[in-house]
Amino acid sequence: EAGVAQSPRYKIIEKRQSVAFWCNPISGHATLYWYQQILGQGPKLLIQFQNNGVVDDSQLPKDRFSAERLKGVDSTLKIQPAKLEDSAVYLCASSASGNSYGYTFGSGTRLTVV
Amino acid sequence: TQLLEQSPQFLSIQEGENLTVYCNSSSVFSSLQWYRQEPGEGPVLLVTVVTGGEVKKLKRLTFQFGDARKDSSLHITAAQPGDTGLYLCAGADRGSTLGRLYFGRGTQLTVWP
Repeated sequence: EAGVAQSPRYKIIEKRQSVAFWCNPISGHATLYWYQQILGQGPKLLIQFQNNGVVDDSQLPKDRFSAERLKGVDSTLKIQPAKLEDSAVYLCASSASGNSYGYTFGSGTRLTVV
Repeated sequence: TQLLEQSPQFLSIQEGENLTVYCNSSSVFSSLQWYRQEPGEGPVLLVTVVTGGEVKKLKRLTFQFGDARKDSSLHITAAQPGDTGLYLCAGADRGSTLGRLYFGRGTQLTVWP
């Protein structure tokens, strides 16, 4: 089966600019996650969707980050305006059941804010 | 604050050596997963352990979940250069049905030929 697709793979922007990342999960996977992985740290959950509804966005910096999952399939994560500390790899993952047992991660988008 | 503490943070060994990586927490988890991540790629799931005291083997890799479900270890026998990568442990919140995982910082393993 095809994996989780993410684009772009790399992005360099200046601080205060905006950026958007796209994720296409595995077909049929109802649960989609966005994680942020800062260099030297493990991934940290930003937001979790169940179909097209948000079930956990407690760690999402809502003053600058937003995410949507229209029609319960693809998802986009946006940062506006970006800060230097947003430099990280943004990972998308999906699972069929949402019970933590069957995560599949995409390759991630590496964001550098200069 | 890291919910899961992994040690060591870096490990550099010769091919053929054995090694153990530890993952510790003061919290109880309903399950714990180990992932391996290579540069430029997302983490890939290696194993999920669910029962306290559970031991799972995956070829040369042995995973153990502590009796109290607060800690885990990964042991690699006769390491090979292909084992090089970032090893991450991740715990699922006890009682949570949301599927959220808490990750450790990872152990960067380098195996030299």
